[in-house]
Amino acid sequence: GAVVSQHPSRVICKSGTSVKIECRSLDFQATTMFWYRQFPKKSLMLMATSNEGSKATYEQGVEKDKFLINHASLTLSTLTVTSAHPEDSSFYICSARKGQGPLEQYFGPGTRLTVT
Amino acid sequence: QKEVEQNSGPLSVPEGAIASLNCTYSDRGSQSFFWYRQYSGKSPELIMSIYSNGDKEDGRFTAQLNKASQYVSLLIRDSQPSDSATYLCAVTPASGGSYIPTFGRGTSLIVHP
Repeated sequence: GAVVSQHPSRVICKSGTSVKIECRSLDFQATTMFWYRQFPKKSLMLMATSNEGSKATYEQGVEKDKFLINHASLTLSTLTVTSAHPEDSSFYICSARKGQGPLEQYFGPGTRLTVT
Repeated sequence: QKEVEQNSGPLSVPEGAIASLNCTYSDRGSQSFFWYRQYSGKSPELIMSIYSNGDKEDGRFTAQLNKASQYVSLLIRDSQPSDSATYLCAVTPASGGSYIPTFGRGTSLIVHP
């Protein structure tokens, strides 16, 4: 199989605080991980692509200093939302891909962030 | 700009019928195509991948790819109410280093009893 986990599944934080979301590939090594954000009833929006051991590549309009991504190992990537604000409230989903090339990506269950 | 187009729907079909979902893409050189299912409030789940022209069947699902016409479709036979979800089409370019897929906006499918 290809299982991707995310933690936490749901988090509520106060405005101005930082939140870290972990994404793990449980049964395969993921050379590439993707972070998406999805607002209610909207389509997936790619935030950034990260490859193990290198800096993440952010999509246009995504602030790299606000959304810190670390792909420290072949099974773990983290997204830290720094100084969160209510408008950052969203559904954050990671996905992981085995190896290189145009292969399938497997999604984690998502993290629902609410900033109060 | 690479685009992936899907009819947002909703597509409503009766239980037991065949649901046909379509997707067109703009990048003629695309080489990998995926269908994901997303239930409300959940993350996407991979259903099918297809890489070459023709049909690929997996259970009740059949993916069809026509690169000349730049479309890919998903057929769901014997549709069940549990198939009610949003179906996302994803297309990966032929080149570009990270092979970042482009997702369509999704088609909402409703299977009514």
